[in-house]
Amino acid sequence: DSGVTQTPKHLITATGQRVTLRCSPRSGDLSVYWYQQSLDQGLQFLIQYYNGEERAKGNILERFSAQQFPDLHSELNLSSLELGDSALYFCASSVRLVGELFFGEGSRLTVL
Amino acid sequence: GEDVEQSLFLSVREGDSSVINCTYTDSSSTYLYWYKQEPGAGLQLLTYIFSNMDMKQDQRLTVLLNKKDKHLSLRIADTQTGDSAIYFCAESSVSGGYNKLIFGAGTRLAVHP
Repeated sequence: DSGVTQTPKHLITATGQRVTLRCSPRSGDLSVYWYQQSLDQGLQFLIQYYNGEERAKGNILERFSAQQFPDLHSELNLSSLELGDSALYFCASSVRLVGELFFGEGSRLTVL
Repeated sequence: GEDVEQSLFLSVREGDSSVINCTYTDSSSTYLYWYKQEPGAGLQLLTYIFSNMDMKQDQRLTVLLNKKDKHLSLRIADTQTGDSAIYFCAESSVSGGYNKLIFGAGTRLAVHP
């Protein structure tokens, strides 16, 4: 158990819909990262937050947004869903800068 | 730019050594990492190496770093069926003073009797 909690574990929805994925980082970790894992794209970095502020952005689509709340949990919002958004979405947390990332078990999104 | 490449599959016999290779592009990477993902689970850090090191050994794991060629390898000695998993190489990239990890696509290791 990494200490990072992601909900929901599985989610099935239809194209055009909107979903929210939630992540609770390890106690004490200020940094939260979101990654997307799909069969054809591998593990893609989406976005990073540190203590509530966006710090780094990767290949995140404009239809996606994220935020980190004062209690340090984070949400990833995916809207106008397309079939290609079906993937495993991972949240990871770390204490600060360089170092180990602790991953949650992921949220598997299926868009039908 | 940032890019990490690794071969997608490796099949080895139980008891043999496995070598998983990776190349990266960011020469300023401070740390390079190996993560393991077992079926249905998140990624778990296996080991890491600081960029000023050439080699790091941790029990059955040996990491070799060739900084000149930007090549990283992970050797697993006496590979067991429990080592079957996807192994990800990652380089650290500092952006705006904060660290992010860029992962390769992962190497699926299959261990057969």
